[in-house]
Amino acid sequence: QQQVKQSPQSLIVQKGGIPIINCAYENTAFDYFPWYQQFPGKGPALLIAIRPDVSEKKEGRFTISFNKSAKQFSLHIMDSQPGDSATYFCAASSRGKLIFGQGTELSVKP
Amino acid sequence: GAGVSQSPRYKVTKRGQDVALRCDPISGHVSLYWYRQALGQGPEFLTYFNYEAQQDKSGLPNDRFSAERPEGSISTLTIQRTEQRDSAMYRCASKRDLGIYNEQFFGPGTRLTVL
Repeated sequence: QQQVKQSPQSLIVQKGGIPIINCAYENTAFDYFPWYQQFPGKGPALLIAIRPDVSEKKEGRFTISFNKSAKQFSLHIMDSQPGDSATYFCAASSRGKLIFGQGTELSVKP
Repeated sequence: GAGVSQSPRYKVTKRGQDVALRCDPISGHVSLYWYRQALGQGPEFLTYFNYEAQQDKSGLPNDRFSAERPEGSISTLTIQRTEQRDSAMYRCASKRDLGIYNEQFFGPGTRLTVL
């Protein structure tokens, strides 16, 4: 019940494309849903986050869509750039601790 | 200002030895978290502290793992009698205050290899 399932495991898009990464959870006690971006050799860094009382949040080219009834949320990257190539992790927070998905390795081709 | 720092960055040890991993959070941050990240996987929660109090240690794999934060700042994760399966990246994160919507800032990690 503490798991967060993330898909796909890897994703390749052309520059300008809109990669979409999906996550699903079971625990209805989760109260915060952040997305982290991780570059090779670096620690994860917060990209964007959403609360469960909001259905969508947009920051720049990044948008989270949240479906509370389906217990699913997704990350959309508009006008993707080669610099967006990284591993993306969704996460869900329960009483402060983060439960991470398995990660999606995104490659944006020039 | 300075981010979360961890030391050592790399640690190679022999099976059966004890290791101590150090985390220096962002100055003034109240909460401190430990995670373990296997290659190609997301970070896995181990334990966390608010100030000096350990709030949740449900993610520690077994009693060979322990953590402390005696003065509410620097934290040490200790692994006793290391085993090869303990090899992983160990990451520390800190959070400014107790608010649940605040960002966790991650450190660069300590890569532990147990031979």
